[in-house]
Amino acid sequence: EVQLVESGGGLVQPGGSPRLSCAASGFTVSTYEFNWVRQAPGKGLEWISYISGSGSLYYADSVKGRFTISRDNAKNSVYLQMNSLRAEDTAVYYCARSAFWSGSYYFDHWGQGILVTVSS
Amino acid sequence: AIQLIQSPSSLSASVGDRVTITCRASKAFSSTLAWYQQKPGKAPKLLIYGGSNLETGVPSRFSGSGSGADFTLTISSLQPEDFASYYCQQFNSFPLTFGGGTKVEIK
Repeated sequence: EVQLVESGGGLVQPGGSPRLSCAASGFTVSTYEFNWVRQAPGKGLEWISYISGSGSLYYADSVKGRFTISRDNAKNSVYLQMNSLRAEDTAVYYCARSAFWSGSYYFDHWGQGILVTVSS
Repeated sequence: AIQLIQSPSSLSASVGDRVTITCRASKAFSSTLAWYQQKPGKAPKLLIYGGSNLETGVPSRFSGSGSGADFTLTISSLQPEDFASYYCQQFNSFPLTFGGGTKVEIK
């Protein structure tokens, strides 16, 4: 069974630098692309980062220069290093796997989400 | 960035109703569009990909259509378990973007 499990969230002070982890099981991360998506309390979904199998990286403007996505194929995991956190980064963060079929991409599996609260 | 405008932002409907949600893009693109359902406190769930392809296991009352800049998600006969929020997402170009969401509530 495909599973993605996020960890590393919690209460963080403004300016803090937590690292979120996304542990995968039921498949090998090396053959897939991954994303991080966040959802502020009561708000919609916001895509924030992508990593390809070859290491191509993309970021939303809202996090560019502060967040870094990475992967460790040996640990079958994907990560999001978050730096210089602000109150507006408070959100549930989801790890999502990209899939490709018949000319279309989509997010076929999501983690359960992890809450990051930025507050002093 | 391609902006996706969903309408309506919320709607009230009864069990058995036909529900249509639209997603309009700021520029036209190929059918690299997906629809997701999200229930409170849960992760989004894929419903439709490629604009009109039903994800395995998703009930056939859900359907997607459209092309260019206008896409539609239709629920042919609303069921109690369908009361949730729905989001469209484009994969045409980075940054990937979601629509603002549509909350489907019980009338």
